[in-house]
Amino acid sequence: GQQLNQSPQSMFIQEGEDVSMNCTSSSIFNTWLWYKQDPGEGPVLLIALYKAGELTSNGRLTAQFGITRKDSFLNISASIPSDVGIYFCAGQGAAGNKLTFGGGTRVLVKP
Amino acid sequence: GAGVSQSPRYKVAKRGQDVALRCDPISGHVSLFWYQQALGQGPEFLTYFQNEAQLDKSGLPSDRFFAERPEGSVSTLKIQRTQQEDSAVYLCASSLRSGLWNQPQHFGDGTRLSIL
Repeated sequence: GQQLNQSPQSMFIQEGEDVSMNCTSSSIFNTWLWYKQDPGEGPVLLIALYKAGELTSNGRLTAQFGITRKDSFLNISASIPSDVGIYFCAGQGAAGNKLTFGGGTRVLVKP
Repeated sequence: GAGVSQSPRYKVAKRGQDVALRCDPISGHVSLFWYQQALGQGPEFLTYFQNEAQLDKSGLPSDRFFAERPEGSVSTLKIQRTQQEDSAVYLCASSLRSGLWNQPQHFGDGTRLSIL
């Protein structure tokens, strides 16, 4: 099935570093969402974006809805160990309510 | 609890058996969604209900998959004659209303299905 292009696929972080990931699509979406999923759990909503160009923050997280409505990015500032997990972007189109997900960005701690 | 509840958390079945997965959405949530998540991938849409009406089943992979929500609250996803490729985590999500962009979907912890 269709998935959004999410990058990077994985990344290592050191405590205190800033982290960035992004998501692109060939289709326009009306809503972009970012979720985090820990092992054995369901995705947890981090940020929802409803308007092209919108920049929204939630604590150390900042996300933007691209002006073309075909992309979004998520930044995590000053990362901490509990930021480890899998981050998914998801787009919601005009035609319906279902979410289309990216393949995920796996955030791991540097050894 | 206040969140989406799914049961069982784990299900192991032999190939050819039928299975039923249950979802209790957040109280008052009109919209209910089922997604399938293969190992190492993002969730993929299966089907969507608004109250008891199944408005979109375009993601169901075959006619072996069937979902219902007869009273507009609890939903059951049934897979008949299971095959090994059905092994995945099945996620349920609910949202307050449909057609309103300010209503994001909230997910349960999923049922991990393994077909032997």
